[in-house]
Amino acid sequence: ELVMTQSPATLSVSPGQRAILSCRASQRISTNVAWYQQKVGQAPRLLIHGAATRATGISARFSGSGSGTEFTLTISSLQSEDFAVYYCQQYNTWPYSFGQGTKLEIK
Amino acid sequence: QVQVVESGGGVVQPGRSLRLSCAASGFTFSTFAMHWVRQSPGKVLEWVAAVSYDGTYKYYADSVKGRFTFSRDNSENSLYLQMNSLRPEDTAVYYCARESGPYYNPGAFDIWGQGTMVTVSS
Repeated sequence: ELVMTQSPATLSVSPGQRAILSCRASQRISTNVAWYQQKVGQAPRLLIHGAATRATGISARFSGSGSGTEFTLTISSLQSEDFAVYYCQQYNTWPYSFGQGTKLEIK
Repeated sequence: QVQVVESGGGVVQPGRSLRLSCAASGFTFSTFAMHWVRQSPGKVLEWVAAVSYDGTYKYYADSVKGRFTFSRDNSENSLYLQMNSLRPEDTAVYYCARESGPYYNPGAFDIWGQGTMVTVSS
């Protein structure tokens, strides 16, 4: 089974600063990676698909990069509504799998 | 409005059964693969099951294989998750989600429901 490993588990960043979240796949998965944002009590929301393509309506402050096994989600100029949990997911190989999440908290 | 709405959650005793439903609207339901994803309280997302756009192929996580059955009715724009032999570790919010790639194209999950809570407890 393909494992997605996110780091760090928790990231403390000040508003206005930049956050960089990482995700590593246990096998090569091309660019079949998505990033989701989840706030407490809400369903996940798709941010990025194809490793680097923003979903409809997503702010340009969110950007994704990477291919193969290493992937990154960058959030620039953090705003209060960005503090949440972020998950990466691979949809290259069955079973599809999620990372364990990175909690982005206010510093 | 493109949306999916889950229903059918509740409290059930271990070993019993429960059937979840997911109603889709606002898009051509019959052209998209659909999934169930669950999240135990305070835990991470866990993919549970998938069904291809035409219902031909079904995939299950090892944790539910043999106990859960995923089906779809394209004439009713609906999905069903029959959960048998429920265990306390099945306690979670269950989300219905659309896979963005139409037909057999792989894709991210672009549409999610609000989730329905299943609690397995005696």
